[in-house]
Amino acid sequence: DTGVSQDPRHKITKRGQNVTFRCDPISEHNRLYWYRQTLGQGPEFLTYFQNEAQLEKSRLLSDRFSAERPKGSFSTLEIQRTEQGDSAMYLCASSSTRTELAKNIQYFGAGTRLSVL
Amino acid sequence: AQSVTQPDIHITVSEGASLELRCNYSYGATPYLFWYVQSPGQGLQLLLKYFSGDTLVQGIKGFEAEFKRSQSSFNLRKPSVHWSDAAEYFCAVGASSYDKVIFGPGTSLSVIP
Repeated sequence: DTGVSQDPRHKITKRGQNVTFRCDPISEHNRLYWYRQTLGQGPEFLTYFQNEAQLEKSRLLSDRFSAERPKGSFSTLEIQRTEQGDSAMYLCASSSTRTELAKNIQYFGAGTRLSVL
Repeated sequence: AQSVTQPDIHITVSEGASLELRCNYSYGATPYLFWYVQSPGQGLQLLLKYFSGDTLVQGIKGFEAEFKRSQSSFNLRKPSVHWSDAAEYFCAVGASSYDKVIFGPGTSLSVIP
């Protein structure tokens, strides 16, 4: 168990470019979450998956944002036509519903820091 | 709607002193409550959680928290702070039906040697 990993750790892009981030959850965790964290704030929920199904999307997730988890394992978060306001830390977390003890406990990755110039 | 407030944006304590970080939540039913810690460049690490039962919960690194339903509070405490405890602390509330978690704005802790 190597924990939740995110790639890349840092991304610098120019306004208007598309970016894609990847998250590898803890193996066999069936739930996966994306959060956004801006400086001085707590993480804000963006979306979550149970297996490959995307079950909820926050209103923060504009049409320029899309997330996938095609095989119920890793997930990608794509931002199209990036704007300066998209600059933030994007956090991924995973959890398991398979045991009562593990339920509702999210394990976080170190995040991808996006800077839009 | 669920919400979490952490009244203290920043706290400074001396090493060896006791610590209490405040957290108040708003939620209609019995909440799931969490405290996470985030060090610079690191992901969030779970310190402790409350789901039900004993209202005083023990966590890692010597932390504990007490759930007080009447005050809608879940304050984090540590009897003696170490310099390595300097970090950002987040209180969070989760729904009982699934795992969506709402985080507070965080409290930044500085420790004076």
